[in-house]
Amino acid sequence: GENVEQHPSTLSVQEGDSAVIKCTYSDSASNYFPWYKQELGKGPQLIIDIRSNVGEKKDQRIAVTLNKTAKHFSLHITETQPEDSAVYFCAANSLLNDYKLSFGAGTTVTVRA
Amino acid sequence: KAGVTQTPRYLIKTRGQQVTLSCSPISGHRSVSWYQQTPGQGLQFLFEYFSETQRNKGNFPGRFSGRQFSNSRSEMNVSTLELGDSALYLCASRDRFSGNTIYFGEGSWLTVV
Repeated sequence: GENVEQHPSTLSVQEGDSAVIKCTYSDSASNYFPWYKQELGKGPQLIIDIRSNVGEKKDQRIAVTLNKTAKHFSLHITETQPEDSAVYFCAANSLLNDYKLSFGAGTTVTVRA
Repeated sequence: KAGVTQTPRYLIKTRGQQVTLSCSPISGHRSVSWYQQTPGQGLQFLFEYFSETQRNKGNFPGRFSGRQFSNSRSEMNVSTLELGDSALYLCASRDRFSGNTIYFGEGSWLTVV
């Protein structure tokens, strides 16, 4: 099955700086890569996703890049704000696996004011 | 449009008891999946239902079961509870015909004592 590894496990950044989280996946058939943000006591919220036919996608301060050859994808958050503090999860799935999502272990992001 | 609704939000059970959790998907979504989230194991896929049929299953013992009703609402049941079943149980829904984006509910926090 799919194996997703996520790094780093914790990330502390100064407000206004950028944060980068990286994930690798094992199944070359994976074609969909969402990112979720989970705040304390809440369920994961989809913040951005990318499909395998696209190399980069941006939504305001958030961007995701995908390198299919190397089988890795990254989340970039620019101009971080205190409300960006949360746990972020990457995930991957493929049609071959009937869309079952495999998640990374999560990254706890702390934005220091 | 209302999001994924899960009930109850919090519950405490005793070892050996059984528990039933309920999930109402986003209106129009006919696919419901369940995930277990624990600090040690992260987010793990339990099963997915579509049109009242289980379509995919994760690596959990038979004590974990689920079902889906004709209105797409879903329930999951855990029998003979163990301390290790303490977790956040997340339900997610998707529109199976328009892609593989899933949306999570807020989860049900289960504590087994």
